[in-house]
Amino acid sequence: NAGVIQTPRHKVTGKGQEATLWCEPISGHSAVFWYRQTIVQGLEFLTYFRNQAPIDDSGMPKERFSAQMPNQSHSTLKIQSTQPQDSAVYLCASSLSGAEQYFGPGTRLTVL
Amino acid sequence: GEKVEQHESTLSVREGDSAVINCTYTDTASSYFPWYKQEAGKGLHFVIDIRSNVDRKQSQRLIVLLDKKAKRFSLHITATQPEDSAIYFCAARNMGYKLTFGTGTSLLVDP
Repeated sequence: NAGVIQTPRHKVTGKGQEATLWCEPISGHSAVFWYRQTIVQGLEFLTYFRNQAPIDDSGMPKERFSAQMPNQSHSTLKIQSTQPQDSAVYLCASSLSGAEQYFGPGTRLTVL
Repeated sequence: GEKVEQHESTLSVREGDSAVINCTYTDTASSYFPWYKQEAGKGLHFVIDIRSNVDRKQSQRLIVLLDKKAKRFSLHITATQPEDSAIYFCAARNMGYKLTFGTGTSLLVDP
């Protein structure tokens, strides 16, 4: 069991560019979560999928952020026209039942 | 929405002593309270959790206490070791699935 896999581990983009972050959940887990971690805001929930269907995206900024889960083996978080305030560690987690969530190592996004 | 306050931002103990981290929450509907450990440059590692149907849970050197009346829960690490040094996050979850996290406690265990 490789755990939750996130790629890339580090990404640097210029202001206005697009960033796509990838998450591979633990095999067999039906729930996938995205969180964002910054020094100022701490850990914030972004969005949640269950059986590939979007369930709750209440934490997603309304503009520029989108998430998808095209199949059970991966989810993507896309940020269009990145801004410096998007710089953060983006964490993906998966869960078998929605209770205990297992986190990946995160993707550190730096927007210059 | 739920708010979780983590009372200790830093904590320093001597090896072998106990460490206690305290959290409070606001939503009386919250029923699941996990704790996570984060080491430098790594993601969150689940350490222990407690559900609202019990008030105490132990796993080896880790003890979690839950006081529903006070909306307070705490993590006790007994017989601390240098490898316990990390940032610890408490979290709460209500009937939904998203976790609301505290701000983290940086624990340093001096050998």
